[in-house]
Amino acid sequence: DIVMTQSPLSLPVTPGEPASISCRSSQSLLHTNGYNYLNWYLQKPGQSPQLLIYLGSIRASGVPDRFSGSGSGTDFTLKISRVEAEDVGVYYCMQARQTVFTFGPGTKVDIK
Amino acid sequence: QVQLVESGGGVVQPGRSLRLSCAASEFSFWNYAMYWVRQAPGKGLEWVAAISNDGSNTYYADSMEGRFTISRDNSRNTLYLQMNSLRVEDTAVYYCARDGNPGSAPYGMDVWGQGTTVTVSS
Repeated sequence: DIVMTQSPLSLPVTPGEPASISCRSSQSLLHTNGYNYLNWYLQKPGQSPQLLIYLGSIRASGVPDRFSGSGSGTDFTLKISRVEAEDVGVYYCMQARQTVFTFGPGTKVDIK
Repeated sequence: QVQLVESGGGVVQPGRSLRLSCAASEFSFWNYAMYWVRQAPGKGLEWVAAISNDGSNTYYADSMEGRFTISRDNSRNTLYLQMNSLRVEDTAVYYCARDGNPGSAPYGMDVWGQGTTVTVSS
């Protein structure tokens, strides 16, 4: 199975400032169709996870444009251009390149 | 509004069985691959199983293979997870989720249910 790692695992943020989370996979997530099968999810406190970014860099419907995804192969980044208070929660990357999907350990984002 | 509603969770003794259900509404259920994902108390997300839109293909995480069975009834818009030989470490919230790419190569979950809690304890 593909192993996913994230850093940092904890990220205190200041509202209005940018934030960045890194995700790495043990194998390339780049498909021959040119897409990277890497998704980002946010689980807000007490809620189900919600999709933020799919196929590496495509924002899901309704996701604010302050969220962006980038990267290719085995290295990926989620960026928040200006953090808002409502962005707190745990962020997970997940690979969908193989039929058995795997999640990263999660990055907990909270307000300083 | 697209909705997934899980049910069937509860408290069960180790070694016993439980069947979870997930009722889908407001989308063409028959056209979507579906998943189960779980989250142990205070832990991260763990992918459990997947099933193709027509039910012909199923996939499992290694730790669940042979004990869990994912299935679906497209006539009832319902997804199932049969869990046998339950262990204490299977205690978790179990989420049902829909794939984001209908009728084509799946790329992961775009809609999630609210989850149902399974507690395995003697």
